Amino acid sequence: GAGVSQTPSNKVTEKGKYVELRCDPISGHTALYWYRQSLGQGPEFLIYFQGTGAADDSGLPNDRFFAVRPEGSVSTLKIQRTERGDSAVYLCASSLRWTGPGMNTEAFFGQGTRLTVV
Amino acid sequence: QQQVKQSPQSLIVQKGGISIINCAYENTAFDYFPWYQQFPGKGPALLIAIRPDVSEKKEGRFTISFNKSAKQFSLHIMDSQPGDSATYFCAASREKKSSGDKLTFGTGTRLAVRP
Repeated sequence: GAGVSQTPSNKVTEKGKYVELRCDPISGHTALYWYRQSLGQGPEFLIYFQGTGAADDSGLPNDRFFAVRPEGSVSTLKIQRTERGDSAVYLCASSLRWTGPGMNTEAFFGQGTRLTVV
Repeated sequence: QQQVKQSPQSLIVQKGGISIINCAYENTAFDYFPWYQQFPGKGPALLIAIRPDVSEKKEGRFTISFNKSAKQFSLHIMDSQPGDSATYFCAASREKKSSGDKLTFGTGTRLAVRP
């Protein structure tokens, strides 16, 4: 596709349920990031993939959150036993492979998935 | 710990005026400072970015001013237009192999440009 695609756009779930959020990055982009944006706040980093592996998962808030990228393209963010505090917009971004200092590559963001836990 | 502080929280400017948004950072290891623009229901989009080896970067009506010693940087929007009405985020990253371009964002500034 032309841009980063995230599905679903909106997800309403009951407290305690399991949810999966999908991100389809720009073709050829090997770097993929997940961020969480709470109302009125800036995005907060969750996890970074370079290819299939999670290179940095330091932003995942607890072990209820998990993300995979099995084939180095599509990624799924999984949240177990959802809590009302998990309600936020979950953003995915992708970029070309980061190759070294000074070689910043622009991160392109999807429109996000708005998760509401009731 | 909020590593990037942004102000003001909201800003109202008349059409044709100058919009100024300020950010301050704490981590001196940061070496890349982008600004993002976000419209309602959309993801952030890169507007302009600067590295600490220069003090200013201009692209069209948008200028970043960077003060390394003060650990501050700002976005100036000249000749502000109603179409510029959006939320603006400053961000910072420390480039390293293990985290790529992991971004730390400010809290955002909601800009409204009045006709």
